[in-house]
Amino acid sequence: GQQLNQSPQSMFIQEGEDVSMNCTSSSIFNTWLWYKQDPGEGPVLLIALYKAGELTSNGRLTAQFGITRKDSFLNISASIPSDVGIYFCAGRSNDYKLSFGAGTTVTVRA
Amino acid sequence: DVKVTQSSRYLVKRTGEKVFLECVQDMDHENMFWYRQDPGLGLRLIYFSYDVKMKEKGDIPEGYSVSREKKERFSLILESASTNQTSMYLCASRGPGLAGPSGANVLTFGAGSRLTVL
Repeated sequence: GQQLNQSPQSMFIQEGEDVSMNCTSSSIFNTWLWYKQDPGEGPVLLIALYKAGELTSNGRLTAQFGITRKDSFLNISASIPSDVGIYFCAGRSNDYKLSFGAGTTVTVRA
Repeated sequence: DVKVTQSSRYLVKRTGEKVFLECVQDMDHENMFWYRQDPGLGLRLIYFSYDVKMKEKGDIPEGYSVSREKKERFSLILESASTNQTSMYLCASRGPGLAGPSGANVLTFGAGSRLTVL
């Protein structure tokens, strides 16, 4: 699978802040997924996107499938301490394999 | 909810030892995957299996093998562990089919097995 470009690599955020992270690819994807990994645990799916232009929310999280099908972003609104963790984007083309970004490590300043 | 269980959460092994990492899922999923996770590199696919006794190489299969004798169980084997295989290993499973709004085919991960090779 190919490597996705995920940025930023890490971020310190103030509690209550809105933050954003994104992923870009040189190839077109049919599915974009966003996972969160808590310390010491496996990644857990947050949001799945299946159509170009789709905007989907899950509580304080919002993600969008880019119109070009080569990018996606994830927004977290009103950050809280439990938002700490590593966020991964993943994209799937027409085969069975996912390509993952390198992850964005989020640390919240109390 | 699908449960993916990795029996060993932390292992410490010596260089040259044979290592088995076990993964079991309870939802009758056809597809199972082994990834390794390293800082700055994200998740990289080692091997996957789409049926019993079937296996396919992922992006970094060198130094690893796998076994899928039963549908629910997918084992990762390091024939002769080396220090550069120190990593977090994540198992995942997925139901049949490709993408769809139902989300039935997204990956469900286990909690991970952190392997240290000395």
